[in-house]
Amino acid sequence: GAGVSQSPRYKVAKRGQDVALRCDPISGHVSLFWYQQALGQGPEFLTYFQNEAQLDKSGLPSDRFFAERPEGSVSTLKIQRTQQEDSAVYLCASSQTANYNEQFFGPGTRLTVL
Amino acid sequence: GDSVTQMEGPVTLSEEAFLTINCTYTATGYPSLFWYVQYPGEGLQLLLKATKADDKGSNKGFEATYRKETTSFHLEKGSVQVSDSAVYFCALSPVWGNEKLTFGTGTRLTIIP
Repeated sequence: GAGVSQSPRYKVAKRGQDVALRCDPISGHVSLFWYQQALGQGPEFLTYFQNEAQLDKSGLPSDRFFAERPEGSVSTLKIQRTQQEDSAVYLCASSQTANYNEQFFGPGTRLTVL
Repeated sequence: GDSVTQMEGPVTLSEEAFLTINCTYTATGYPSLFWYVQYPGEGLQLLLKATKADDKGSNKGFEATYRKETTSFHLEKGSVQVSDSAVYFCALSPVWGNEKLTFGTGTRLTIIP
């Protein structure tokens, strides 16, 4: 079956532009995570959804970052007024349920802010 | 807060050499521990995991043992192959709350024939 997909795969934005990054999790997966991976670093947690409920957004770096999952499947990460320090790969992961199920990662969206 | 410290790379080995990549962690209680791998051009994949002390995770010839006394989860393989060239990430998820992963910085491994 299909894995986690993300679009676009690459995004170039001018500083100050708004961007929207999409994640399609594996069908039926309850949990969805967003991570940010800077160059040469490990992924860092941004936010977590269980179905449509955003249960943890403690990793979002500023109020310019906003995520939603309105119908409990597809999720969108939006970044307003992008800054150069937002340049990173944004990873989405989904898992079947809680209780330490494996997280399946998408290929990521590489965002470059000029 | 929780953290993972991972052996810095890059690491270059000859084919059939023995591999160890060190990983230590700081966390409250008994987290679950993971090794993820990222092959060139691909997304992160779970390699192995252990959910309690003294558990050994294993997959594709790789092993790691959850050592509570040393807060470590070192990755080992007895004989590496060129196809093992990738970036390896050690990670943990907490006992309480959601299962967000805390990752180390990653170790790039290159195996030369």
